[in-house]
Amino acid sequence: DIQITQSPSTLSASLGDRVTITCRASQSISSWLAWFQQKPGQAPKLLIYKASSLESGVPSRFSGSGSGTEFTLTISSLQPDDFATYYCQQYDSYSWTFGQGTKVEIK
Amino acid sequence: EVQVVESGGGLVQPGGSLRLSCAASGFIFSSHWMDWVRQAPGKGLVWVSRIKSDGSNTNYADSVKGRFTISRDNAKNTLYLQMNSLRVEDTAVYYCVRETAVAGLDYWGQGTLVTVSS
Repeated sequence: DIQITQSPSTLSASLGDRVTITCRASQSISSWLAWFQQKPGQAPKLLIYKASSLESGVPSRFSGSGSGTEFTLTISSLQPDDFATYYCQQYDSYSWTFGQGTKVEIK
Repeated sequence: EVQVVESGGGLVQPGGSLRLSCAASGFIFSSHWMDWVRQAPGKGLVWVSRIKSDGSNTNYADSVKGRFTISRDNAKNTLYLQMNSLRVEDTAVYYCVRETAVAGLDYWGQGTLVTVSS
């Protein structure tokens, strides 16, 4: 099975900060990686698919990059609504796997 | 509007069984693979199972293989998860998720809580 390592597990940042979260796959997954945002008590929300494609309705301050085994999610200027937990997920093989999650907290 | 609504969660004893349902609307259900993803209290997301649009192919996480069965009724636009031999570690919110070929897991239900406890 493909393993996904996500870092950091927690990130403290201020409003307006540029934030970067990283995911590393145990083998190449081409561009088959998605990013989700989850707030307490809510279902996950798709932000980015195929590594860099922005889901409809998602603010342009969110961007994704990478291919193969290294991927990043960047929030260009952190807004109050962005404090949440973020997960990456690979969908290359028939068995999907998620990263461990990154909680973005207020500094 | 795309909607997926889970039901069937509840409290069950270890070794017991439960069947979850997911009612889909707002899209052509029979054209999409569908998935179940779970999240234990305070923990991360874990993929559980997926089923092809026509029901002819299924995949399972190792942790549930042989105990859980995913199925669907395209005439009723409904997805199911039959869970047998339940363990305490199966306690989680179970999400029903629509899958697309390019975007992956794009629409999630609000989840149904399964608690396995004596």
